[in-house]
Amino acid sequence: AQSVTQLGSHVSVSEGALVLLRCNYSSSVPPYLFWYVQYPNQGLQLLLKYTTGATLVKGINGFEAEFKKSETSFHLTKPSAHMSDAAEYFCAVSVNNYKLTFGKGTLLTVNP
Amino acid sequence: DGGITQSPKYLFRKEGQNVTLSCEQNLNHDAMYWYRQDPGQGLRLIYYSQIVNDFQKGDIAEGYSVSREKKESFPLTVTSAQKNPTAFYLCASRATNQPQHFGDGTRLSIL
Repeated sequence: AQSVTQLGSHVSVSEGALVLLRCNYSSSVPPYLFWYVQYPNQGLQLLLKYTTGATLVKGINGFEAEFKKSETSFHLTKPSAHMSDAAEYFCAVSVNNYKLTFGKGTLLTVNP
Repeated sequence: DGGITQSPKYLFRKEGQNVTLSCEQNLNHDAMYWYRQDPGQGLRLIYYSQIVNDFQKGDIAEGYSVSREKKESFPLTVTSAQKNPTAFYLCASRATNQPQHFGDGTRLSIL
């Protein structure tokens, strides 16, 4: 069975600062990895995904994530935070690309 | 516009009543999913369906039921057997080898 751990339920950054949201996974087979973003009272929107190939994945809104097999990690980063990035972020893992297991989420606050 | 429509946005029911949440997609996706979201708990899978007339239990299926009579529709019934039904419910769909695409959710409150 697969699992996801998101370190830090709440991360606060200043506008213009680096955003780093941490995700570690557990999987017995090579995983598919995803980051989703959720704004209040809305559904989830896909930011980026890793399936195979290049380990540095670029997504929408300037976000990127790097798959590190040796560390079983898939951390999400953005060089410069914007006020509009304030939302909840979910990391998810799948071993068969049809059933996802989600982490508990990290709420990102951006301070002016 | 293609997408997933969940209705209603907010739903209130009395304790002991069954309630059905609607999920319709016009994306021609084969697979559909229902998740429950509680604060600080992430998303937990209730039921999923990979094809019409077939569905499987997820991690927290007790107290819920579904049907998949049409490709575009996957309604979820929250029965009176569900001990703590107040939550945010999310429906998703997926094309083969593609990520899941989510609706905007239904917030269910039991009075």
